[in-house]
Parts: sequence; structure tokens; C-alpha cells
Amino acid sequence: KQEVTQIPAALSVPEGENLVLNCSFTDSAIYNLQWFRQDPGKGLTSLLLIQSSQREQTSGRLNASLDKSSGRSTLYIAASQPGDSATYLCALGSGNTGKLIFGQGTTLQVKP
Amino acid sequence: GAVVSQHPSWVICKSGTSVKIECRSLDFQATTMFWYRQFPKQSLMLMATSNEGSKATYEQGVEKDKFLINHASLTLSTLTVTSAHPEDSSFYICSARRSGGYNEQFFGPGTRLTVL
Repeated sequence: KQEVTQIPAALSVPEGENLVLNCSFTDSAIYNLQWFRQDPGKGLTSLLLIQSSQREQTSGRLNASLDKSSGRSTLYIAASQPGDSATYLCALGSGNTGKLIFGQGTTLQVKP
Repeated sequence: GAVVSQHPSWVICKSGTSVKIECRSLDFQATTMFWYRQFPKQSLMLMATSNEGSKATYEQGVEKDKFLINHASLTLSTLTVTSAHPEDSSFYICSARRSGGYNEQFFGPGTRLTVL
């Protein structure tokens, strides 16, 4: 059974810092991996989608990497801003069914 | 593009009543939609997979007679919580997978259900 773990559970950094959020999974037979952002009381916003055959994806200040062999993905946020404060969730698609298995999330606070 | 809406955004109901939540993909067709629930400070738990024109597939432990799902068109899925009880109070989120895409899912804004 696939298990997804995100470390740390919470993170507080000063504005301008570069930071890395971690996501690990137990079964390397994944279909894809998706990173989401969730603001309090809101739905999820898709940030990056990495297909199984890809190693990384970039969008603006965000870069996500995928290493299936080690069961890890990282989300790199450059030059963090207070507006980046949110909970970040990684989710694994383990087959063509489209089902996603979510990690518990990392709650990020960027202080001005 | 790839916008998913949910209605209502919040609802308060009395115990024993039924509540319907709509999930719509506004600018794309979705053969598959998913329903999740999220308790405070917890992650999303998949409840069921909704396929257009066929019966929904429920995850283990989810009562199909209590959580009725209908996916009548390529842009609309509904979740009806029947005979709601206070323990059903939660944040319900739907997602839609774009047909022909890379299995990327787009999420709705969620519906906050409070059962008194």
C-alpha cells in the first residue's frame, strides 16, 4: 500500500529565503506526482505535475523534482514571499485510474 | 482554463436532512471526477470516483447508500449526503480529471458542510 509522507509538517521562514519541501513515498511504481497549494478553508490549486518519466518541472519560482528510485520528491521555492504562506500537499497518482494519494501536507509561513 | 466550481460553498443543515453538492468543470470535459473529504488539519481522503454514465466506485469504508454520487454529464457530478448527522460535518472537495490529458486533476473550492 502506497504511503506518502511530507516533512516537515510545518515550516516558518523569513521573507526572501529559498526553501525545500520534502515528499517521500513507499512504492516507486507511480504514474505521476502532483504538488498542490491549499489556503485555509479553500480548495487546492495545482502547482506542478511531474509525469513518471520526468525528473523535474519548473514554474516561475517553483521547481519540483522526482526521484522514483529513492521514493522522493522535493518542491523548491525560491525567494519566498509572504503570499507563499499556505499548506503544500504532494499527491501520487499510482495508476491510470487517476486516484491520488495525498501526503499530510507542510504548512508554510513566510514572515515579512 | 481548467476551472472547477462547487456549489454551495457552505451549507448548514439539521440532522436527518439530505444535502446535495454540485461539482462542475467549467471549461473542459471530465469523464472522471473525484470526491474527497477533509477534516480539520488533516489531508484529503478519497471517498469515491465518479465516472460519467456509470456507477461510482467507492473507497473502502465509505457508505454508498449514504453518499450518493451521480455523474450525468461530462461537466457535472453531484454528491448527496443522505440523512446527514453531525459526524458528517466536514469539508468536501471535488476534483475533475481532464479528458485526454495527463491525468492532471483540478480541484474545486470545496464545500463546508455543518450538520447541527
